[in-house]
Amino acid sequence: GQQVMQIPQYQHVQEGEDFTTYCNSSTTLSNIQWYKQRPGGHPVFLIQLVKSGEVKKQKRLTFQFGEAKKNSSLHITATQTTDVGTYFCAGGNTDKLIFGTGTRLQVFP
Amino acid sequence: EAQVTQNPRYLITVTGKKLTVTCSQNMNHEYMSWYRQDPGLGLRQIYYSMNVEVTDKGDVPEGYKVSRKEKRNFPLILESPSPNQTSLYFCASKYRGPSYEQYFGPGTRLTVT
Repeated sequence: GQQVMQIPQYQHVQEGEDFTTYCNSSTTLSNIQWYKQRPGGHPVFLIQLVKSGEVKKQKRLTFQFGEAKKNSSLHITATQTTDVGTYFCAGGNTDKLIFGTGTRLQVFP
Repeated sequence: EAQVTQNPRYLITVTGKKLTVTCSQNMNHEYMSWYRQDPGLGLRQIYYSMNVEVTDKGDVPEGYKVSRKEKRNFPLILESPSPNQTSLYFCASKYRGPSYEQYFGPGTRLTVT
């Protein structure tokens, strides 16, 4: 079945350093969504990418969708302690979203 | 306020004692889903429902039941809980179609001893 892999599983960074998480699907996706889960919280929608090669920015966050629509990345520039949490990608071609395993980001002040 | 609610938020129970986790959404979403979250395994879908009286298995349905008698409610039933069902459970809802964002409930932390 369709699988979505995400790496790395964990990342510890010093505040101010950059961070990137990568998402790879075994099949072509119609879209990719990104969610953030703060410690003790629930996943919250961040953004959706639909077009091949699409790049979107939200302040210090940059999201990319691969040309083949099988991979995506989230890059955070100059991390802050407020960026702490687990980041999930989720993709699919139907109603069902397949979630990646998540990348847990820890930021040390 | 648009939201997904779950109850209870925390539950400790014993093996074999039937339990129900309720889920309700006020956004008139057709699609509802249950996930369990375990360390290193991400969010795995248990069951989903595309509309009233329409439910289907997700990736890890064994040991769970669901029902969708009303559009807003989607309870998760564990007929005979076992320790391997100790987990963090999330209910979620969205509109039909792959391009809609999913809204998650606050989560239910279940411990089965």
